[in-house]
Amino acid sequence: KNQVEQSPQSLIILEGKNCTLQCNYTVSPFSNLRWYKQDTGRGPVSLTIMTFSENTKSNGRYTATLDADTKQSSLHITASQLSDSASYICVVTPSGNTGKLIFGQGTTLQVKP
Amino acid sequence: DVKVTQSSRYLVKRTGEKVFLECVQDMDHENMFWYRQDPGLGLRLIYFSYDVKMKEKGDIPEGYSVSREKKERFSLILESASTNQTSMYLCAIDRNTGELFFGEGSRLTVL
Repeated sequence: KNQVEQSPQSLIILEGKNCTLQCNYTVSPFSNLRWYKQDTGRGPVSLTIMTFSENTKSNGRYTATLDADTKQSSLHITASQLSDSASYICVVTPSGNTGKLIFGQGTTLQVKP
Repeated sequence: DVKVTQSSRYLVKRTGEKVFLECVQDMDHENMFWYRQDPGLGLRLIYFSYDVKMKEKGDIPEGYSVSREKKERFSLILESASTNQTSMYLCAIDRNTGELFFGEGSRLTVL
């Protein structure tokens, strides 16, 4: 069964610190993996998109990595800010399966001053 | 910029009522989706549509129907709302770039 598992479920860090969120998936084959940020009460917004052949993708202080061999992805946040407090969702698109994305349950990050 | 507008941010309905959730996009995109989001379960696909008058069931279509009479509008219908349909509902479009653009969400409470 295609699955996407994220860890930790929730995380609290101090402002200015770095953190790493994990995403493990069993979807195979897949065409791309995306990370979304969802602020409380809002819709998710895309942070990064990686195809199966890409290893890393950055978007400002956000850097996503992908290891297709171990089926793992991580999202690293550098020098966290209060505005980084949100849920982060990992999404995998199976190959040839348009519309049926596989969503992780998300990691809730709280950045404290 | 892509704009996906959901008609209601917050709704409170009673069990058995018919509920319409509307989603409007401002570009000429074919692919539109309805998801629901619940704590601990993530986003789950209810229905999607690739074009006018076309619809496909997602993973949890039971208790829901959809309508797409015009390309820019995709409506989710709860024929007879039940308490287990209390949730956050998210509409999204796909520009065939592999990226979903979501609306702000509609939080529905069924009493």
